[in-house]
Amino acid sequence: EDQVTQSPEALRLQEGESSSLNCSYTVSGLRGLFWYRQDPGKGPEFLFTLYSAGEEKEKERLKATLTKKESFLHITAPKPEDSATYLCAVQSTDSWGKLQFGAGTQVVVTP
Amino acid sequence: NAGVTQTPKFQVLKTGQSMTLQCAQDMNHEYMSWYRQDPGMGLRLIHYSVGAGITDQGEVPNGYNVSRSTTEDFPLRLLSAAPSQTSVYFCASRFKLNTEAFFGQGTRLTVV
Repeated sequence: EDQVTQSPEALRLQEGESSSLNCSYTVSGLRGLFWYRQDPGKGPEFLFTLYSAGEEKEKERLKATLTKKESFLHITAPKPEDSATYLCAVQSTDSWGKLQFGAGTQVVVTP
Repeated sequence: NAGVTQTPKFQVLKTGQSMTLQCAQDMNHEYMSWYRQDPGMGLRLIHYSVGAGITDQGEVPNGYNVSRSTTEDFPLRLLSAAPSQTSVYFCASRFKLNTEAFFGQGTRLTVV
């Protein structure tokens, strides 16, 4: 069975204090790994897709990386507007239509 | 371009009542899904569809029905609401299995 575990559950950062979020996964074969951002009262908003180990994607202060067992979301010099819950999800090769989500990491960035 | 539209945004039901959560997408996506989100449990898949006329169960299907008569619409029916179905419900659509999902804004359902 596909499993996705995110850590830490919550992260409190000072503005400018860089950190990393972890997403470890267990799947029979990886079709894709997805990162989302979710603001309170809103639906998840797509950030990145990673398909194979060694792949990296960047967007502003966020950078996502992928290995065979985990993915990291690096937040460089965060700003208060980066405060959100970050969700990781995997699509395996043998689970048609089923995205498996982790429980998320709640990030709070204080000025 | 509206994307994925869910209605209603909020709903309060009494135990035993039935209702339908509506979901529509205008991106011509084949793949559509319903998730529920509960504190500390992340998003859990209820039902999904890989095309018009084709649906299947996800992780937590009990108490919910779906149908997919058109590519655009994927309604979720609660047959007899229970307090355990109090949750936030999200509909999502995808172009292909290896592409990102687009989510609606959610329906916050309370069953009393």
